[in-house]
Amino acid sequence: QQQVKQSPQSLIVQKGGISIINCAYENTAFDYFPWYQQFPGKGPALLIAIRPDVSEKKEGRFTISFNKSAKQFSLHIMDSQPGDSATYFCAAKGDDKIIFGKGTRLHILP
Amino acid sequence: NAGVTQTPKFQVLKTGQSMTLQCAQDMNHNSMYWYRQDPGMGLRLIYYSASEGTTDKGEVPNGYNVSRLNKREFSLRLESAAPSQTSVYFCASSRGGQGIYEQYFGPGTRLTVT
Repeated sequence: QQQVKQSPQSLIVQKGGISIINCAYENTAFDYFPWYQQFPGKGPALLIAIRPDVSEKKEGRFTISFNKSAKQFSLHIMDSQPGDSATYFCAAKGDDKIIFGKGTRLHILP
Repeated sequence: NAGVTQTPKFQVLKTGQSMTLQCAQDMNHNSMYWYRQDPGMGLRLIYYSASEGTTDKGEVPNGYNVSRLNKREFSLRLESAAPSQTSVYFCASSRGGQGIYEQYFGPGTRLTVT
């Protein structure tokens, strides 16, 4: 019940394309769903986050879509750029803890 | 502001040796966390401290101990290192409190146990 399942494990997208990463959860008590971006050799950094009372949140080229009934949420990166190449983690907050998915390694082809 | 700092950046230990990973934050955050990151496993919570003076176990606490020395500092100790503890360790902090959840991560410590 505490798991967050993320897919795909890796993703290759052409420059200018749309990158889509999906996550699913079981625990309906989760109340905050962030996405973190991690570059090689660095710690993760918050990219964008959403609460379950909102179905979509957009910040620049990054959009979270949230489906509460299906217990799924996804990250869309529009007009993907080589600089977006990184590992992305979805996560969910329960109690005082944030549970992370296993990550998606995204590579944008120039 | 330096944010979250971790020392050392790299460490090689022999099986059975002990060491302490240090973490400090200068953002006046209440909550601090220790994670380990292994290939294909994501970030797994080892221990966390919701506020000064409290610590709680996370998902993978076995083989580790922690100390919340003060509001700024949260250390992770390996008493008898094992090869299974080879990993990248991240410390994180957050302001805590109602609705404030963003975690700020340090640069990580790469630990190899031989």
